[in-house]
Amino acid sequence: KNEVEQSPQNLTAQEGEFITINCSYSVGISALHWLQQHPGGGIVSLFMLSSGKKKHGRLIATINIQEKHSSLHITASHPRDSAVYICAVSMHGGSQGNLIFGKGTKLSVKP
Amino acid sequence: KAGVTQTPRYLIKTRGQQVTLSCSPISGHRSVSWYQQTPGQGLQFLFEYFSETQRNKGNFPGRFSGRQFSNSRSEMNVSTLELGDSALYLCASSYTFTASGYTFGSGTRLTVV
Repeated sequence: KNEVEQSPQNLTAQEGEFITINCSYSVGISALHWLQQHPGGGIVSLFMLSSGKKKHGRLIATINIQEKHSSLHITASHPRDSAVYICAVSMHGGSQGNLIFGKGTKLSVKP
Repeated sequence: KAGVTQTPRYLIKTRGQQVTLSCSPISGHRSVSWYQQTPGQGLQFLFEYFSETQRNKGNFPGRFSGRQFSNSRSEMNVSTLELGDSALYLCASSYTFTASGYTFGSGTRLTVV
């Protein structure tokens, strides 16, 4: 079993829809990261969470430490949100760079 | 301010050769981490450097090595290349190695033929 599991693997949405991507992990963590990767490979760090909720524009990330679960929400989705979204965790007691990654969720938003 | 710069962007090497990839972090960032991304294994942690010291190493063979210079620039080296080393190699930098966000470079796409 992977230490970081994401669902769904693939997601197709219509422009304007509310989108949720889920991440579950099985290890103790010091932080959880949500990353965005566009075709071509470059990765953008969206959020780093250790508790609660963070919001940036149309993106919201939440984490429930007790349930070892995090969600990434996109409100009013747009075709430019089409990308792969990757959840990654830094293990408790480890350094932040030593990340364990999920397999990613490929999001396609249709106009 | 300039982002994380990785060079070269693309590279084609022959099996058995060695390769050196470079990563220049954001000015002031002292932590650099390297990752390998392949279609089969996804993203995997290679190593992490802070102030010229290797802090952590992922589960990769000894053919993979790296170093960090006093200006925080980092290089990784892969010797005796194998076809399976074909991947996107990403580096990320941060100010410290604990509890800080990361900025990723655009990656170096290595193809081994």
